[in-house]
Amino acid sequence: EPEVTQTPSHQVTQMGQEVILRCVPISNHLYFYWYRQILGQKVEFLVSFYNNEISEKSEIFDDQFSVERPDGSNFTLKIRSTKLEDSAMYFCASSVSSTRDTQYFGPGTRLTVL
Amino acid sequence: QKEVEQNSGPLSVPEGAIASLNCTYSDRGSQSFFWYRQYSGKSPELIMSIYSNGDKEDGRFTAQLNKASQYVSLLIRDSQPSDSATYLCAAIGSGGYQKVTFGTGTKLQVIP
Repeated sequence: EPEVTQTPSHQVTQMGQEVILRCVPISNHLYFYWYRQILGQKVEFLVSFYNNEISEKSEIFDDQFSVERPDGSNFTLKIRSTKLEDSAMYFCASSVSSTRDTQYFGPGTRLTVL
Repeated sequence: QKEVEQNSGPLSVPEGAIASLNCTYSDRGSQSFFWYRQYSGKSPELIMSIYSNGDKEDGRFTAQLNKASQYVSLLIRDSQPSDSATYLCAAIGSGGYQKVTFGTGTKLQVIP
């Protein structure tokens, strides 16, 4: 069964460094998302992406964040200058079309900022 | 701030019983609602989606939606120990197409 994959599973970085989290959505899906979950807290929407552009973003998704689909398979989240409070689990998800369709989540990348 | 509220639990039920999980939402314009299951350290997994008032059944799961009361629930019949997880209620509000707002989740414990 097709699944969303994410790499790395765990990323440790120093405060102020740039990180890139990578995702490979399910191949026939057209909508892509990033969510984050700080330990013990709720899942929070960051951004949705369709047709090579951001379609929606939350207040959390400020100028330090960016997303890109550099090729036909990868979908990346870049955090330019990491802060301690960026430490969280980051989930990528994808869906075939609109959000009425099931969003399939990847296993997540745990980001630890020291 | 548009919120989805859930009791954090834990909700403990004996094996074979019905587990009832509840959720309220503040955005009256919300149209789409979802229940996800999340095992500890894992990613959310969609169990049910519901868009219209009333009940929707899928196997042992029944989702109920009451838009007038801004209330969504999930019933799990014949609860199994493997159902022990955190159940996340989520909604798409009136402000956008794809921004899903999650509740904090209710931890369910099914006691063998």
